Amino acid sequence: QQPVQSPQAVILREGEDAVINCSSSKALYSVHWYRQKHGEAPVFLMILLKGGEQKGHEKISASFNEKKQQSSLYLTASQLSYSGTYFCGTDEGSNYKLTFGKGTLLTVNP
Amino acid sequence: GAVVSQHPSWVICKSGTSVKIECRSLDFQATTMFWYRQFPKQSLMLMATSNEGSKATYEQGVEKDKFLINHASLTLSTLTVTSAHPEDSSFYICSVNSFQGNQETQYFGPGTRLLVL
Repeated sequence: QQPVQSPQAVILREGEDAVINCSSSKALYSVHWYRQKHGEAPVFLMILLKGGEQKGHEKISASFNEKKQQSSLYLTASQLSYSGTYFCGTDEGSNYKLTFGKGTLLTVNP
Repeated sequence: GAVVSQHPSWVICKSGTSVKIECRSLDFQATTMFWYRQFPKQSLMLMATSNEGSKATYEQGVEKDKFLINHASLTLSTLTVTSAHPEDSSFYICSVNSFQGNQETQYFGPGTRLLVL
């Protein structure tokens, strides 16, 4: 089942923060976050496995709620290089097949 | 992580011809590779799971006779689009399962852009 990502798009000025959400109607085995720049392949950012988990560094981090149905990606003090489309990929059954959300287009302007 | 290459990066072909796309895992022996298709401004849609030494597993709605997958070795999987038509024009991306620390995730190749005229 395709996860729901929100917002669809967000425009920031350099230095501003953003939060991208990824929701599923079912409890998930894991959530994987990727960033894709135009015309390129997705690049892995991080994976979350445990309910209540938070990981990443101070600039880009993510959380996974206790029910393992929602994950959020936090982008702090955004840089121009953060621009791109962010996808969450969800694994429902630990068979390592990922279903991707529709993506969130993030644009960071000077 | 894993380093994945794809060849070719771009292909333009006439309608009715077949196109072969290669996906190589350069630093990791991959028993499983995944093939995705992405239309402009859309999400990544899983087409099939490629298993070394056995038949690929196709997602619902993907024609296995049209999209032939061969995973002949632990480092190479190929996707052949047979009798390609303009509606097959898309960005085809493969991925490999590998480890980030002790956690398994997918690493993507650079993608192949197919344009069918």
